[in-house]
Parts: sequence; C-alpha cells; structure tokens
Amino acid sequence: EAGVVQSPRYKIIEKKQPVAFWCNPISGHNTLYWYLQNLGQGPELLIRYENEEAVDDSQLPKDRFSAERLKGVDSTLKIQPAELGDSAVYLCASSPKYGTKNTGELFFGEGSRLTVL
Amino acid sequence: AQKVTQAQTEISVVEKEDVTLDCVYETRDTTYYLFWYKQPPRGELVFLIRRNSFDEQNEISGRYSWNFQKSTSSFNFTITASQVVDSAVYFCALRDNNNAGNMLTFGGGTRLMVKP
Repeated sequence: EAGVVQSPRYKIIEKKQPVAFWCNPISGHNTLYWYLQNLGQGPELLIRYENEEAVDDSQLPKDRFSAERLKGVDSTLKIQPAELGDSAVYLCASSPKYGTKNTGELFFGEGSRLTVL
Repeated sequence: AQKVTQAQTEISVVEKEDVTLDCVYETRDTTYYLFWYKQPPRGELVFLIRRNSFDEQNEISGRYSWNFQKSTSSFNFTITASQVVDSAVYFCALRDNNNAGNMLTFGGGTRLMVKP
C-alpha cells in the first residue's frame, strides 16, 4: 500500500516568492493534516481536513498561508509571500475517519523542506 | 490545554547500552491517548505505539518497552541493547478526548544517537 506522498521534497526560494506543497494521502483516509516542523522541534498542526472540509485551521496564518483539499483527496498548501521565518519542514499526514476502527495513528509523508533566502 | 514535554533534547549512547527516553504530559481530560513516533534521519515519522489512559499496563515489543505512569503523568520509552539503526528523533505525543478529531500534540523530541 502506498504511503502519504508529498512533493516537492526540497524547495529553495527567495523571500516574497510564492511556494506550494502538494500532498496525496493514503487511499481511503478521510482525514488529512498539515503540520509545520521547525528545526529541532516537534510538529505543530496547521490545518486539519475531514474530507474536503477544513475543520480546524486555527493555527494557520491566514494572511499568507492557504490550503485546499478539492474533492477530498489531494491537498495543496500555499504560502504567498514567503518570509524568512517560514523555513521549515511541512509535513502532511492522513488517518482513517475518526470514530471508526482507527487506532489514532497518523501516517506521515516524508515532508517538504522549505528554505527561504 | 494539553502539553507534552520531552526534557532530553539529545542522548548519545554506545551500541548495546539501554536507554530511556522521558515523556511527561499535561491534560485536563481523564480520557486521552499517548503515542510515540520515530523520525529517522531524512525520513517520515513512523508510529511506534499508542496507549489509552485506562490501560496502565507496561508494554514490551522486542527491544522496545513503554512505562506508563498515570500518577506522574509520564510515558517513558526504553530501548534495550540499542543499535545504530535506532538513531533517530523520537517524539512523544498526546491526544485527549476534547479533540473533535485525531489531532496530536507533540513534544519537542529527543534525538538519540547510538554510536558503534
């Protein structure tokens, strides 16, 4: 079974440029998460989707960050314009629908490492 | 509010030594779940274990064991006879029953380096 796929793995841009990250979750997983992982820290939730609905985006900096999950499958996270402080790893994760037989385990992708110069 | 603290930012051991990674959590809920994830160098987070707050039995899986102490709000992880392949960053995480979804709060992680 294919895992969570993210692209690009690495991205280097200059500040004020836009950037987008793409995530393809595990087939059949209703819930999709975007996490931000700064160097030497644990992941922090940015946004969670249940199917195509963003059910928790309280931690997403909405002035420059946006996300979408059209058709409830793939998702895109965009930053425009990027700032120096946005340099981090952006992790995507998915899980089966909450309340079903899922164990609470999140399945993570390898992440997209962003460097803003 | 929930919080997870991993006080050890970095641990270095020599192969075959036993090592314990500490995790202390805070939550107001009586029902919650604790997790450990492993993040190898340049790799994705890999699920290791989940425990719920009603099950305080310790668990052993091969060289891995977990000690859940509700009285001290701790969920420590021990690797016996460590190997170089155990080198990674390990994250403890918490999900409480207030979460409408499956959101995890992660600790800051402990970087384990196992030297040959």
